[in-house]
Amino acid sequence: DSGVTQTPKHLITATGQRVTLRCSPRSGDLSVYWYQQSLDQGLQFLIQYYNGEERAKGNILERFSAQQFPDLHSELNLSSLELGDSALYFCASSVALVDNEQFFGPGTRLTVL
Amino acid sequence: DAKTTQPNSMESNEEEPVHLPCNHSTISGTDYIHWYRQLPSQGPEYVIHGLTSNVNNRMASLAIAEDRKSSTLILHRATLRDAAVYYCILRDVQNAGNMLTFGGGTRLMVKP
Repeated sequence: DSGVTQTPKHLITATGQRVTLRCSPRSGDLSVYWYQQSLDQGLQFLIQYYNGEERAKGNILERFSAQQFPDLHSELNLSSLELGDSALYFCASSVALVDNEQFFGPGTRLTVL
Repeated sequence: DAKTTQPNSMESNEEEPVHLPCNHSTISGTDYIHWYRQLPSQGPEYVIHGLTSNVNNRMASLAIAEDRKSSTLILHRATLRDAAVYYCILRDVQNAGNMLTFGGGTRLMVKP
């Protein structure tokens, strides 16, 4: 158990819908990262927040957005969902902005029908 | 970004050592070498990291070539629980963020 929690574990929705994935980092960790894992693209970095501020952006679609709240939990919002958005979404956390070790959560499996 | 090359898959016998290779010929002086692994149905898990010198921890050892163009993750005694996908990742400490760029990794199969 990494100490990072993600909800829900599974999510099934339809094309065109909007969903919110939630992540609680380990106690004391200020950085939160979101990654997407799909069969064709592998594991891809989406975005990093540090202490409430966006600090790095990867290949995140404009239809996706994220935020980190004052209590440090984070949410990833996915809108206008397409079949290709079906994937595992992982959240990770670390203590600092730049850290040697990231702790990953168990992931949320999103299925878009 | 500097890239890594790993074999797609490797097989090992239980309780034998495993050497997982990684090539990173375009590595820069500010790139750290990280290894993560992903067990079935789980998120990735940190294994080890290094810059220039060989490193040991409770999970594994990391051997880094003198020219830093390759590295090897060593599991001293493979167990069935070590069956996973192992990712070799270069992380540039000069980046504003701390993103990890995953490649395809090596799927390690451990036979009893």
